[in-house]
Amino acid sequence: QKEVEQDPGPLSVPEGAIVSLNCTYSNSAFQYFMWYRQYSRKGPELLMYTYSSGNKEDGRFTAQVDKSSKYISLFIRDSQPSDSATYLCAMSASGSARQLTFGSGTQLTVLP
Amino acid sequence: SAVISQKPSRDICQRGTSLTIQCQVDSQVTMMFWYRQQPGQSLTLIATANQGSEATYESGFVIDKFPISRPNLTFSTLTVSNMSPEDSSIYLCSVAQGYYGYTFGSGTRLTVV
Repeated sequence: QKEVEQDPGPLSVPEGAIVSLNCTYSNSAFQYFMWYRQYSRKGPELLMYTYSSGNKEDGRFTAQVDKSSKYISLFIRDSQPSDSATYLCAMSASGSARQLTFGSGTQLTVLP
Repeated sequence: SAVISQKPSRDICQRGTSLTIQCQVDSQVTMMFWYRQQPGQSLTLIATANQGSEATYESGFVIDKFPISRPNLTFSTLTVSNMSPEDSSIYLCSVAQGYYGYTFGSGTRLTVV
């Protein structure tokens, strides 16, 4: 079993839809949770990060962490074609890159 | 956040040869990280490059296969040596951003034939 599981998709939604992207994990020591967006032929870019449990909102994006269920989510409201990308979750116990574990990514397409 | 320039962006190489990937950062950083991203798989950390010391390799990666140089605080190279088709992947360099986020270069898409 992988330490971090992420549905690879692909996920296709119409413009304006609410998108929910999810990851589950097995390591209860994880405290730092991140979401990265990766456009085709580009490196990942940090979208959101959260420490421990709770919600964090940034514009159209909301990150949720439920440590009791070992489950994290990224919600995108009013999705736009420019949101079409692969979304990667990442998490670690310490914040150190040497302990950063990535999901395999979910490919999202927002149709105009 | 830091801006990372990575070269080459892509290459097609013959098996048995080596390719050196360059990573240039627009600010001085203590640590630089090299990742591999295989199709449909998560990013895997290859090694951490510190200026003035040997790189620290993760389990499954060895210096003979992936030698790393870090001559100064803004530059690093990763060499993929004696390549085989299994080395076909995207290679990314990264630096820390803020407290625990990371900035990535655009990656080098390597195909070994």
